[in-house]
Amino acid sequence: SQQGEEDPQALSIQEGENATMNCSYKTSINNLQWYRQNSGRGLVHLILIRSNEREKHSGRLRVTLDTSKKSSSLLITASRAADTASYFCATLDTGFQKLVFGTGTRLLVSP
Amino acid sequence: DSGVTQTPKHLITATGQRVTLRCSPRSGDLSVYWYQQSLDQGLQFLIQYYNGEERAKGNILERFSAQQFPDLHSELNLSSLELGDSALYFCASSSLLGTGTSLSGANVLTFGAGSRLTVL
Repeated sequence: SQQGEEDPQALSIQEGENATMNCSYKTSINNLQWYRQNSGRGLVHLILIRSNEREKHSGRLRVTLDTSKKSSSLLITASRAADTASYFCATLDTGFQKLVFGTGTRLLVSP
Repeated sequence: DSGVTQTPKHLITATGQRVTLRCSPRSGDLSVYWYQQSLDQGLQFLIQYYNGEERAKGNILERFSAQQFPDLHSELNLSSLELGDSALYFCASSSLLGTGTSLSGANVLTFGAGSRLTVL
């Protein structure tokens, strides 16, 4: 079963707007990661936030983590058409080595 | 190019058949992971190997098996194929075994481009 669930399932915005997607998970985690997948391609790691961190930035990406609510959010600022992709959160649980992926958010950025 | 090589890129076969998917991890990575991505099930973790040994198992069917060889490449064998096995199969690699309860290290995965399996 999936560990994380993303919300919304799909998001459509205009270039220049910000995109926010959320991830909820169920168990205690070691870290939470966000990956991007262009249509039919392999996933690419974007950013990682550890369980003792609350916010992290990387370029136009901002990730927050609330372990009390078991949730994370990914903000992409000043979006571009090239940001069109599916975005997945993934959690590494404290007991095992496997990385479990959420259901993904499909982001469409229109020029 | 991510450095993780998967072959074949596309495979079309019939129900009941057996196929082998191959993965070469990124240079220096000892861990190999297999994931299945289908429209209705999302991205499902199948199995992980570290330096030739099985380390974690997910939702892998008994009809499926995998192994990692001494040169660290891995193969995923799918047998008695069913229509529902049609999916993208991804291999990923990392340099770490995993962090367990430690906060040191981070298990970031590098994915291959995938093998698209179509079972007719």
